[in-house]
Amino acid sequence: QSVLTQPPSVSGAPGQRVTISCTGSSSNIGAGYDVHWYQQLPGTAPKLLIYGNSNRPSGVPDRFSGSKSGTSASLAITGLQAEDEADYYCQSYDSSLSGSTVFGGGTKLTVL
Amino acid sequence: QVTLRESGPALVKPTQTLTLTCTFSGFSLSTSGMCVSWIRQPPGKALEWLARIDWDDDKYYSTSLKTRLTISKDTSKNQVVLTMTNMDPVDTATYYCARTSIAVTNWFDPWGQGTLVTVSS
Repeated sequence: QSVLTQPPSVSGAPGQRVTISCTGSSSNIGAGYDVHWYQQLPGTAPKLLIYGNSNRPSGVPDRFSGSKSGTSASLAITGLQAEDEADYYCQSYDSSLSGSTVFGGGTKLTVL
Repeated sequence: QVTLRESGPALVKPTQTLTLTCTFSGFSLSTSGMCVSWIRQPPGKALEWLARIDWDDDKYYSTSLKTRLTISKDTSKNQVVLTMTNMDPVDTATYYCARTSIAVTNWFDPWGQGTLVTVSS
C-alpha cells in the first residue's frame, strides 16, 4: 500500500477537464514537502510532468497543471486529448520512513 | 541532451546478486549538484524508489531495502552501478535509473528506458 493515495482510475472525454488527486499525511505532503508528477505512456519510462507542486518542465503543454493544499496535491489536465491516455504518478518525500522518497500508487487515465 | 541507459541481466536466479549499470551522457557526476537514482516498477504495479548517489559520493537507500542495496559511481566512465543481494521473485521488475535533482524533495528527470529483470529458477 502506497504512502501517497491516488484513485486507481479516472476518465474523461476529449476536450474535457480531469483531475487526479494525491492524498498524503502530516509526514509528507502535509509537512510541506513538494509534490512532483510523472506521466507514463504505455510501454515507456515515466516522464516528469510537474515538479515543485506546480512547475512545468520545458516542453510540457500548459494543459497540465499542479497544485497542493494541506495534505493533498492535484494534477489537472484540461482540453483532454487521446494522447493523454497514460498512467500518472505523484511523488514526494516522507519523513516518517527515515527520510525516503515515496510514490503514489498511480492513476490510469482513460480518454473515452 | 541528457540520456541514461540501464544494462544488466534479464534473468537472475533466486538468492543471486543482481548488478545493474546505468550509463549516462550529457552531464557529469563530478559536477556539484548532480545525482542519479534507481527506481523500479514490478509488472503492472507502482514505482518504488531504491537508491540515490550524489556528486560528492553521498548515498541514500530505501529504508525497506537498504540492507540489500549498494550504489556506487565511476565518474570517469559516466556510470552508476546498483547491486541488490539475495534476489527473490518479488524483485521481478523493470529497473530505471534517472538523473535526480538536488532539492530536498528531489525529482527525477530524465529517466532511462528501463531494463526488465526477472527472478526465476
